[in-house]
Amino acid sequence: QVQLVESGGALVKPGGSLKLSCEAVGFKFDDYFMSWIRQTPGRGLEWIAYISGGSSHTKYADSTKGRFTISRDNAGNSLFLHMSGLEVADTAVYYCARTAGRFDYWGQGTLVTVSA
Amino acid sequence: DIQLTQSPSSLSASVGDRVTITCQANQDITTYLNWYQQKPGKAPKFLIYDVSNLATGVPSRFSGSGSGTNFTLTISGLQPADFATYFCQQYDSLPRTFGPGTRLDIK
Repeated sequence: QVQLVESGGALVKPGGSLKLSCEAVGFKFDDYFMSWIRQTPGRGLEWIAYISGGSSHTKYADSTKGRFTISRDNAGNSLFLHMSGLEVADTAVYYCARTAGRFDYWGQGTLVTVSA
Repeated sequence: DIQLTQSPSSLSASVGDRVTITCQANQDITTYLNWYQQKPGKAPKFLIYDVSNLATGVPSRFSGSGSGTNFTLTISGLQPADFATYFCQQYDSLPRTFGPGTRLDIK
């Protein structure tokens, strides 16, 4: 069955960098767009970025544009989120999600905490 | 950005009740509206796509309706597993946005 497993969340200082990974199993990975979505108690669910199956098409939310980069390795069935210039406001649980207009499968989430 | 509001923000109900949750968009999103269910400590679970189509495995007591700017999620005959938080989400335009959620708990 479809399964998405995120990893890489950590405690990072403001201004730091971090790379999140999401390993996908159970479906033809390169057939699907994939997204990163984050959640905080204060701001709720926030879509961050998506990437097309062949990586030719990416889009970002304004809040992360220029600081975050989404990428994927189809040979390894993996999705990535490279985060730099991290801010306290980036503290959240980060989810990867299979994307087809809707987000039909989600990982379990990985916690990123940005704090001095 | 398209803003989604949900009402009520929280709701108490009993097993067997029928409940309705409303999602309103600040501009026309035709039928590009999905619903998710989330339980504490878990990822959101996909429930309904394109206003009224149930995701695979979702019980028929869940239903959705609406178009344009006003949408509803109805649960008929609440079961214990249904007590959770529900979010709407639009994909009419970027950025994809979510409603703030409606928390449904047991009376």
